[in-house]
Amino acid sequence: DGGITQSPKYLFRKEGQNVTLSCEQNLNHDAMYWYRQDPGQGLRLIYYSQIVNDFQKGDIAEGYSVSREKKESFPLTVTSAQKNPTAFYLCASRRGGQAVSYEQYFGPGTRLTVT
Amino acid sequence: KQEVTQIPAALSVPEGENLVLNCSFTDSAIYNLQWFRQDPGKGLTSLLLIQSSQREQTSGRLNASLDKSSGRSTLYIAASQPGDSATYLCAALTDKLIFGTGTRLQVFP
Repeated sequence: DGGITQSPKYLFRKEGQNVTLSCEQNLNHDAMYWYRQDPGQGLRLIYYSQIVNDFQKGDIAEGYSVSREKKESFPLTVTSAQKNPTAFYLCASRRGGQAVSYEQYFGPGTRLTVT
Repeated sequence: KQEVTQIPAALSVPEGENLVLNCSFTDSAIYNLQWFRQDPGKGLTSLLLIQSSQREQTSGRLNASLDKSSGRSTLYIAASQPGDSATYLCAALTDKLIFGTGTRLQVFP
């Protein structure tokens, strides 16, 4: 069954702790994305990667870090430097590498709560 | 800078009605426009993708149109059902996907 998996579904952390959100895809897609969703706002792009071992900052990268060591995996670390980390995090992927016009597919999301 | 707006923000209709959701974007230099559905607490499900060279796409009871010159797209849902209740998001692709804030649709029996 092809798709994108994100784990865990719910994550709770204390302020000051780093936390890593998992995103795995078995669609053989080249590009992967991380978005953040807050109530009343559209999805905002955190980081994206069009190819293994390469990634670029999106609009709100401060306080986040990523790695892309394998094609199927794109983990996101929310660091203690992120001022307001509580949000719903969505991972997406698409085929086509640098050919951006292909459809993006989304995972089920991880809801992170930091107290 | 691309901005995407969706109107209305919320819509409540009786079952069986045909309805139109609106999406407007400020920069017409887009590669494509995607419509998504999001159920509460879930990820996004892609409904339709319209490439910049296309005028419309259809899937079942859904029809999406694109008018780049006016910066508008509409999602038409025919014969709405309670199972259509969800938030509908549009997103315009330039160098990245820019999302609107969505239309929350409730279809009541």
